[in-house]
Amino acid sequence: EVQLVESGGGLVQPGGSLRLSCAASGFTFSEDYMDWVRQAPGKGLEWVGRSRSKAKRYSTEYAASLKGRFTISRDESKNLLFLQMNSLKPEDTAVYYCVRAIYYSGKNYLGYWGQGILVTVSS
Amino acid sequence: DIQMTQSPSSLSASVGDRVTITCRASQDISTYLAWFQQKPGKAPKSLISAASTLQSGVPSRFSGSGSGTDFTLTISNLQPDDFASYYCQQHSKFPLTFGQGTKVEIK
Repeated sequence: EVQLVESGGGLVQPGGSLRLSCAASGFTFSEDYMDWVRQAPGKGLEWVGRSRSKAKRYSTEYAASLKGRFTISRDESKNLLFLQMNSLKPEDTAVYYCVRAIYYSGKNYLGYWGQGILVTVSS
Repeated sequence: DIQMTQSPSSLSASVGDRVTITCRASQDISTYLAWFQQKPGKAPKSLISAASTLQSGVPSRFSGSGSGTDFTLTISNLQPDDFASYYCQQHSKFPLTFGQGTKVEIK
């Protein structure tokens, strides 16, 4: 069974940093693309970024508005996906979801979602 | 960026109704379109990929259609468990983008 469990959220002051983790199990972590998606309170879904598979050297893509502040990485030995968030702003307040992308019909779509973790940026 | 426009933003329907939600992309995305269901306080759940492929375990009353720029999610015979928010999302190009969502409420 695929499981994605996020951790590391909480309250952080503006300008601070936070690292989210996502523990993955039930599939071959190194072979799959992984994404982060966020949702501000009462708002819609916003894609944050992607880590491609080991075969693609874990290369990354980011939403342009977040590039430079957010970094996605992995620990292959522990099946962990990370989201390092720096220079946090109040507008980064959101539930952050770890998502396993599934390859189908030529592209990867957002297939399996973790339960999400809340990040609150406030003084 | 590819803009995804969903309509309506909300709708009221009764159990047993047929519901249609539309999603329009600002440029051609072929069939790289997914639909998600989200209930309050829960993570989104994948319903449909590649515009019309139902995910495993999703009831057959859900269906998707379309290609290019215009897409539709249809729920036939609406059930109490279907009252939720629905999002479309394109995975043709980065950045991946979502529609603003459609909230399906009980009439």
